[in-house]
Amino acid sequence: KAGVTQTPRYLIKTRGQQVTLSCSPISGHRSVSWYQQTPGQGLQFLFEYFSETQRNKGNFPGRFSGRQFSNSRSEMNVSTLELGDSALYLCASSLVAVQSTEAFFGQGTRLTVV
Amino acid sequence: AQRVTQPEKLLSVFKGAPVELKCNYSYSGSPELFWYVQYSRQRLQLLLRHISRESIKGFTADLNKGETSFHLKKPFAQEEDSAMYYCALSGGYSTLTFGKGTMLLVSP
Repeated sequence: KAGVTQTPRYLIKTRGQQVTLSCSPISGHRSVSWYQQTPGQGLQFLFEYFSETQRNKGNFPGRFSGRQFSNSRSEMNVSTLELGDSALYLCASSLVAVQSTEAFFGQGTRLTVV
Repeated sequence: AQRVTQPEKLLSVFKGAPVELKCNYSYSGSPELFWYVQYSRQRLQLLLRHISRESIKGFTADLNKGETSFHLKKPFAQEEDSAMYYCALSGGYSTLTFGKGTMLLVSP
């Protein structure tokens, strides 16, 4: 069974631009979460989607947004990029959206803002 | 607010030595605790969760609600255990709050 797939793997953008990252969950998984990983802050939760609905949102500015499609694929968008947005963005999928479920992670998209 | 603290950034031990990776949490409700591991050049993956009460690769972790801790232990470390270990808490749905991680280095 294919794992969580994130595209692109690497991205370089200029300050002020916007970017869209994509995540394809494991087949049958309906919950998709996004995390930002930086050396200073570690792994921080961005948002979680289940059946096309955002169920939970982390403490990030409104420039960070996401959506989930009917096939459970998800995208996240960052507008007006700042240098501090440079990070590894991880997507995780889960079979169901319950507390004890295992999250399966993708390999991430490395975003560099210059 | 929920929080996970891993006090050690780096833990270096010799092969065969016992290992204990510390994790403390803060959460007002009834949390689910996990340990995730990231080996070099691999994706983050689940090692174990407290609800399963299982031992994976010789690792165990016991949830101590009185001390709000979920320390990861292994009696005899192996070189292949070298990796980044993250303690995580789920307070609802499938979202996770992670600690900042502990790098475990096992030397021969």
